[in-house]
Amino acid sequence: KQEVTQIPAALSVPEGENLVLNCSFTDSAIYNLQWFRQDPGKGLTSLLLIQSSQREQTSGRLNASLDKSSGRSTLYIAASQPGDSATYLCAVLDSNYQLIWGAGTKLIIKP
Amino acid sequence: EPEVTQTPSHQVTQMGQEVILRCVPISNHLYFYWYRQILGQKVEFLVSFYNNEISEKSEIFDDQFSVERPDGSNFTLKIRSTKLEDSAMYFCASRGLGGVAEAFFGQGTRLTVV
Repeated sequence: KQEVTQIPAALSVPEGENLVLNCSFTDSAIYNLQWFRQDPGKGLTSLLLIQSSQREQTSGRLNASLDKSSGRSTLYIAASQPGDSATYLCAVLDSNYQLIWGAGTKLIIKP
Repeated sequence: EPEVTQTPSHQVTQMGQEVILRCVPISNHLYFYWYRQILGQKVEFLVSFYNNEISEKSEIFDDQFSVERPDGSNFTLKIRSTKLEDSAMYFCASRGLGGVAEAFFGQGTRLTVV
């Protein structure tokens, strides 16, 4: 059974720092992996999608990597800003076409 | 840009009542999903729908729940006889064909059962 883990559960860093969020999954048989952002009490905003054949994707200050064989993905945020404060979720699309979710990393960027 | 639309954004209902949560998926998508997120917890898969029938469902999706695509555009989740523990954010998602297709999510319906 696919399980997705995100470490750390919470992270607080000063504004301007670069940071890395981690996501690991137990079964490498995935179609893709998505990173989402969720503001408190709000919906899910897709940030980046990495296909299983890809190694990384970039969007602005965000870079996501995927190492399928080791079951790991990272989300790199450059030059963090207070507006980046949110919960970041990763989800893998498994062999049954189901999205399996991590519990998220709550990120706080201190001004 | 096409988007998934969910209504209502917030619904308050009394315990034991039936609720219908509505979703309009992206028009050319073929896979439809419902997920829920209890406050402070993980997003949980409820059900997937393809080719006008349920393709997968979780243990959560018991006889209390049902889904329909009544008119080719809407995708609904019906919860019968709501319980307090059904209070959660419910997310609808849709996806095109194939494993490479990205899932697009609606903004969610916050269901509060009192």
